[in-house]
Amino acid sequence: DIVLTQSPATLSLSPGERATLSCRASQSVSNYLAWYQQKPGQAPRLLIYDVSNRATGIPARFSGSGSGTDFTLTISSLEPEDFAVYYCQQRSNWPQTFGQGTKVEIK
Amino acid sequence: EVQLLESGGGLVQPGGSLRLSCAASGFIFSNYAMSWVRQFPGKGLEWVSTIGGRGGTTYYADSVKDRFTISRDNLKNTLFLQMNDLRGEDTALYYCTKVFAWNDHWGQGTLVTVSS
Repeated sequence: DIVLTQSPATLSLSPGERATLSCRASQSVSNYLAWYQQKPGQAPRLLIYDVSNRATGIPARFSGSGSGTDFTLTISSLEPEDFAVYYCQQRSNWPQTFGQGTKVEIK
Repeated sequence: EVQLLESGGGLVQPGGSLRLSCAASGFIFSNYAMSWVRQFPGKGLEWVSTIGGRGGTTYYADSVKDRFTISRDNLKNTLFLQMNDLRGEDTALYYCTKVFAWNDHWGQGTLVTVSS
Protein backbone atom coordinates (compact mmCIF):
# COMPACT_ATOMS: atom_id res chain seq x y z
CA ASP A 1 0.00 0.00 0.00
CA ILE A 2 1.11 3.58 -0.60
CA VAL A 3 1.89 5.37 2.64
CA LEU A 4 1.15 9.07 2.86
CA THR A 5 3.11 10.98 5.51
CA GLN A 6 1.83 14.39 6.49
CA SER A 7 3.85 17.05 8.24
CA PRO A 8 3.79 18.71 10.59
CA ALA A 9 1.36 16.86 12.84
CA THR A 10 0.24 20.18 14.30
CA LEU A 11 0.62 23.69 12.94
CA SER A 12 0.03 26.57 15.36
CA LEU A 13 -0.72 29.80 13.55
CA SER A 14 -2.67 33.02 13.96
CA PRO A 15 -5.54 34.22 11.77
CA GLY A 16 -4.17 35.98 8.72
CA GLU A 17 -1.01 33.91 8.59
CA ARG A 18 -0.05 31.57 5.77
CA ALA A 19 -0.31 27.82 6.34
CA THR A 20 1.81 25.32 4.46
CA LEU A 21 0.98 21.63 4.89
CA SER A 22 3.02 18.79 3.43
CA CYS A 23 2.06 15.33 2.21
CA ARG A 24 4.74 12.88 1.06
CA ALA A 25 3.95 9.59 -0.68
CA SER A 26 6.01 6.41 -0.36
CA GLN A 27 5.93 6.10 -4.15
CA SER A 28 4.73 8.23 -7.01
CA VAL A 29 0.99 8.90 -7.10
CA SER A 30 1.20 10.96 -10.29
CA ASN A 31 -1.48 13.66 -9.91
CA TYR A 32 -3.96 11.46 -8.04
CA LEU A 33 -3.80 13.40 -4.82
CA ALA A 34 -6.58 15.15 -2.90
CA TRP A 35 -6.95 17.15 0.30
CA TYR A 36 -9.85 17.07 2.75
CA GLN A 37 -10.76 19.36 5.64
CA GLN A 38 -12.42 18.05 8.78
CA LYS A 39 -13.84 20.24 11.52
CA PRO A 40 -14.79 18.86 14.96
CA GLY A 41 -17.97 16.83 14.85
CA GLN A 42 -18.19 17.01 11.06
CA ALA A 43 -17.40 14.69 8.20
CA PRO A 44 -14.39 15.35 6.00
CA ARG A 45 -15.00 17.73 3.09
CA LEU A 46 -13.22 17.58 -0.24
CA LEU A 47 -11.06 20.69 -0.70
CA ILE A 48 -8.61 19.97 -3.49
CA TYR A 49 -8.51 17.15 -6.05
CA ASP A 50 -6.01 16.12 -8.70
CA VAL A 51 -3.31 18.03 -6.80
CA SER A 52 -4.46 21.55 -7.54
CA ASN A 53 -8.16 21.75 -8.45
CA ARG A 54 -10.44 23.34 -5.90
CA ALA A 55 -13.70 21.52 -5.24
CA THR A 56 -17.00 23.33 -5.65
CA GLY A 57 -17.39 26.23 -3.25
CA ILE A 58 -13.84 26.15 -1.91
CA PRO A 59 -12.35 29.64 -1.50
CA ALA A 60 -9.37 30.73 -3.57
CA ARG A 61 -7.18 31.06 -0.47
CA PHE A 62 -6.80 27.26 -0.62
CA SER A 63 -4.33 25.99 -3.18
CA GLY A 64 -2.54 22.73 -3.86
CA SER A 65 0.69 21.95 -5.62
CA GLY A 66 3.25 19.21 -6.16
CA SER A 67 3.81 16.12 -8.23
CA GLY A 68 5.00 12.56 -7.93
CA THR A 69 5.67 12.09 -4.24
CA ASP A 70 5.69 15.57 -2.68
CA PHE A 71 2.61 17.70 -2.31
CA THR A 72 1.64 20.90 -0.53
CA LEU A 73 -1.61 22.45 0.61
CA THR A 74 -1.35 26.18 1.13
CA ILE A 75 -3.85 28.41 2.87
CA SER A 76 -2.78 31.92 1.91
CA SER A 77 -4.35 33.78 4.83
CA LEU A 78 -6.03 31.82 7.60
CA GLU A 79 -9.62 32.63 8.40
CA PRO A 80 -11.12 31.60 11.77
CA GLU A 81 -13.12 28.82 10.05
CA ASP A 82 -9.96 27.26 8.59
CA PHE A 83 -8.71 25.89 11.90
CA ALA A 84 -9.32 22.19 11.42
CA VAL A 85 -7.63 18.92 10.55
CA TYR A 86 -6.47 18.35 6.98
CA TYR A 87 -5.95 14.97 5.35
CA CYS A 88 -4.35 14.06 2.05
CA GLN A 89 -5.51 11.02 0.06
CA GLN A 90 -4.20 9.15 -2.98
CA ARG A 91 -6.11 7.06 -5.48
CA SER A 92 -3.22 6.23 -7.78
CA ASN A 93 -3.03 2.64 -6.53
CA TRP A 94 -5.55 0.38 -4.83
CA PRO A 95 -6.22 0.64 -2.04
CA GLN A 96 -6.76 4.36 -1.82
CA THR A 97 -5.01 5.60 1.30
CA PHE A 98 -5.09 8.64 3.56
CA GLY A 99 -2.42 10.50 5.43
CA GLN A 100 -2.64 10.72 9.21
CA GLY A 101 -3.67 14.36 9.19
CA THR A 102 -2.31 17.78 10.09
CA LYS A 103 -4.11 19.80 12.71
CA VAL A 104 -4.08 23.55 12.12
CA GLU A 105 -4.71 25.17 15.48
CA ILE A 106 -4.98 28.73 16.69
CA LYS A 107 -1.75 30.02 18.20
CA GLU B 1 -28.35 19.27 -2.67
CA VAL B 2 -26.56 15.96 -2.14
CA GLN B 3 -27.54 14.27 1.10
CA LEU B 4 -26.21 11.02 2.51
CA LEU B 5 -27.70 9.63 5.71
CA GLU B 6 -26.13 6.61 7.34
CA SER B 7 -27.84 4.35 9.85
CA GLY B 8 -27.49 0.93 11.41
CA GLY B 9 -24.50 1.40 13.68
CA GLY B 10 -24.43 0.35 17.29
CA LEU B 11 -22.76 -1.78 19.93
CA VAL B 12 -22.07 -5.38 18.91
CA GLN B 13 -20.09 -8.20 20.48
CA PRO B 14 -16.99 -9.59 18.79
CA GLY B 15 -18.02 -12.10 16.14
CA GLY B 16 -21.36 -10.40 15.65
CA SER B 17 -22.91 -8.77 12.60
CA LEU B 18 -24.35 -5.41 11.62
CA ARG B 19 -25.86 -4.01 8.46
CA LEU B 20 -25.23 -0.36 7.70
CA SER B 21 -27.44 1.64 5.36
CA CYS B 22 -26.93 4.94 3.59
CA ALA B 23 -29.92 6.75 2.13
CA ALA B 24 -28.93 9.03 -0.72
CA SER B 25 -30.74 11.97 -2.29
CA GLY B 26 -30.07 15.01 -4.42
CA PHE B 27 -28.31 13.22 -7.29
CA ILE B 28 -28.89 10.37 -9.76
CA PHE B 29 -27.77 7.58 -7.46
CA SER B 30 -27.21 4.92 -10.12
CA ASN B 31 -24.81 7.16 -12.02
CA TYR B 32 -22.19 7.13 -9.27
CA ALA B 33 -19.96 4.71 -7.50
CA MET B 34 -20.31 4.78 -3.74
CA SER B 35 -17.87 3.96 -0.98
CA TRP B 36 -17.61 3.32 2.71
CA VAL B 37 -14.78 5.00 4.57
CA ARG B 38 -14.22 4.57 8.29
CA GLN B 39 -12.59 6.77 10.89
CA PHE B 40 -11.00 5.17 13.90
CA PRO B 41 -11.23 6.62 17.40
CA GLY B 42 -7.70 7.99 17.01
CA LYS B 43 -9.02 9.88 13.95
CA GLY B 44 -7.21 7.97 11.20
CA LEU B 45 -9.21 7.40 7.99
CA GLU B 46 -9.38 4.06 6.16
CA TRP B 47 -11.13 3.25 2.91
CA VAL B 48 -13.29 0.16 3.37
CA SER B 49 -15.14 -0.66 0.16
CA THR B 50 -16.42 0.73 -3.15
CA ILE B 51 -19.23 -0.36 -5.45
CA GLY B 52 -19.84 0.68 -9.03
CA GLY B 53 -22.94 2.56 -10.07
CA ARG B 54 -24.76 -0.52 -11.34
CA GLY B 55 -23.47 -2.68 -8.52
CA GLY B 56 -21.54 -5.03 -10.76
CA THR B 57 -18.09 -4.18 -9.48
CA THR B 58 -16.98 -4.18 -5.88
CA TYR B 59 -13.69 -3.56 -4.15
CA TYR B 60 -12.62 -4.20 -0.58
CA ALA B 61 -9.77 -3.35 1.73
CA ASP B 62 -7.79 -6.42 2.73
CA SER B 63 -8.74 -5.77 6.36
CA VAL B 64 -12.42 -6.45 5.66
CA LYS B 65 -12.33 -8.81 2.67
CA ASP B 66 -14.42 -11.94 3.15
CA ARG B 67 -16.15 -10.39 6.18
CA PHE B 68 -17.88 -7.29 4.74
CA THR B 69 -20.17 -7.09 1.71
CA ILE B 70 -21.11 -3.87 -0.04
CA SER B 71 -24.32 -3.66 -2.05
CA ARG B 72 -26.81 -1.13 -3.32
CA ASP B 73 -30.47 -0.79 -4.24
CA ASN B 74 -30.71 1.72 -7.06
CA LEU B 75 -34.50 1.74 -6.93
CA LYS B 76 -34.42 2.84 -3.31
CA ASN B 77 -31.27 5.01 -3.62
CA THR B 78 -29.68 3.15 -0.76
CA LEU B 79 -26.19 1.81 -0.12
CA PHE B 80 -25.50 -1.04 2.28
CA LEU B 81 -22.60 -2.58 4.12
CA GLN B 82 -23.11 -6.02 5.63
CA MET B 83 -20.50 -6.57 8.30
CA ASN B 84 -19.92 -10.07 9.68
CA ASP B 85 -17.42 -11.53 12.13
CA LEU B 86 -16.83 -8.11 13.62
CA ARG B 87 -13.64 -7.48 15.58
CA GLY B 88 -12.53 -4.85 18.05
CA GLU B 89 -10.42 -3.20 15.37
CA ASP B 90 -13.57 -2.57 13.34
CA THR B 91 -14.68 -0.03 15.95
CA ALA B 92 -15.02 3.22 14.03
CA LEU B 93 -17.30 5.87 12.61
CA TYR B 94 -18.46 4.62 9.22
CA TYR B 95 -19.08 7.17 6.49
CA CYS B 96 -20.71 6.59 3.14
CA THR B 97 -19.35 8.70 0.34
CA LYS B 98 -20.42 9.59 -3.17
CA VAL B 99 -17.58 8.95 -5.58
CA PHE B 100 -16.87 11.10 -8.60
CA ALA B 101 -13.25 10.03 -8.97
CA TRP B 102 -12.84 11.34 -5.43
CA ASN B 103 -15.01 11.13 -2.31
CA ASP B 104 -16.80 14.34 -3.18
CA HIS B 105 -19.64 14.11 -0.65
CA TRP B 106 -19.74 12.44 2.74
CA GLY B 107 -22.54 11.57 5.13
CA GLN B 108 -22.32 12.32 8.83
CA GLY B 109 -21.41 8.76 9.73
CA THR B 110 -22.75 5.97 11.90
CA LEU B 111 -20.78 4.67 14.86
CA VAL B 112 -19.92 1.00 15.16
CA THR B 113 -18.54 -0.22 18.48
CA VAL B 114 -17.34 -3.80 18.80
CA SER B 115 -16.94 -4.77 22.42
CA SER B 116 -17.97 -7.47 24.87
